[in-house]
Amino acid sequence: NAGVTQTPKFQVLKTGQSMTLQCAQDMNHNSMYWYRQDPGMGLRLIYYSASEGTTDKGEVPNGYNVSRLNKREFSLRLESAAPSQTSVYFCACRFGANVLTFGAGSRLTVL
Amino acid sequence: DAKTTQPTSMDCAEGRAANLPCNHSTISGNEYVYWYRQIHSQGPQYIIHGLKNNETNEMASLIITEDRKSSTLILPHATLRDTAVYYCIVRVRRGNQAGTALIFGKGTTLSVSS
Repeated sequence: NAGVTQTPKFQVLKTGQSMTLQCAQDMNHNSMYWYRQDPGMGLRLIYYSASEGTTDKGEVPNGYNVSRLNKREFSLRLESAAPSQTSVYFCACRFGANVLTFGAGSRLTVL
Repeated sequence: DAKTTQPTSMDCAEGRAANLPCNHSTISGNEYVYWYRQIHSQGPQYIIHGLKNNETNEMASLIITEDRKSSTLILPHATLRDTAVYYCIVRVRRGNQAGTALIFGKGTTLSVSS
């Protein structure tokens, strides 16, 4: 039982390149989330999906797109990466009342 | 959601109780207090939550004042592995309904030393 699995764990991109961060959960939870965390900062919500087929913007959605492929998977896409998107990205799913389970994180560097 | 205020950092000796305060003076009647922690480089981890009664689980205790304007997370016997950033979040409880996600602030950095 892995919980929330994120891939890749590390990625280096050049400015303008695109990539997709993958997230999968085996907990059968409806809601899934993408956060980013910059050094010395708290987590900031990028996008979330309350259920399969729905997505909504969070605090910092610009430059990102998401896809809720099915109940298990929620991907985050950077169409044209910028150095400002260098960050650690966390995916989470929600059990019941605001109890989130997070993945281990994906560390992205954009040169 | 009500705003929370936490100290930036705290120190604690190993084996002693760590008491982490959180002020949430604008909390409304249907908002719960949630605590998460984030150990370096890992994803945040849920600890505990409560509405108005004190709560205890295998990780910690949560003490909420009678007026609900502040709370304290207690780690009864802190270990080096408890060194982490601790987040206090106030949020309306939602079950499986659609809704927005938790918003994390900067939290309190707890340093446990031997």
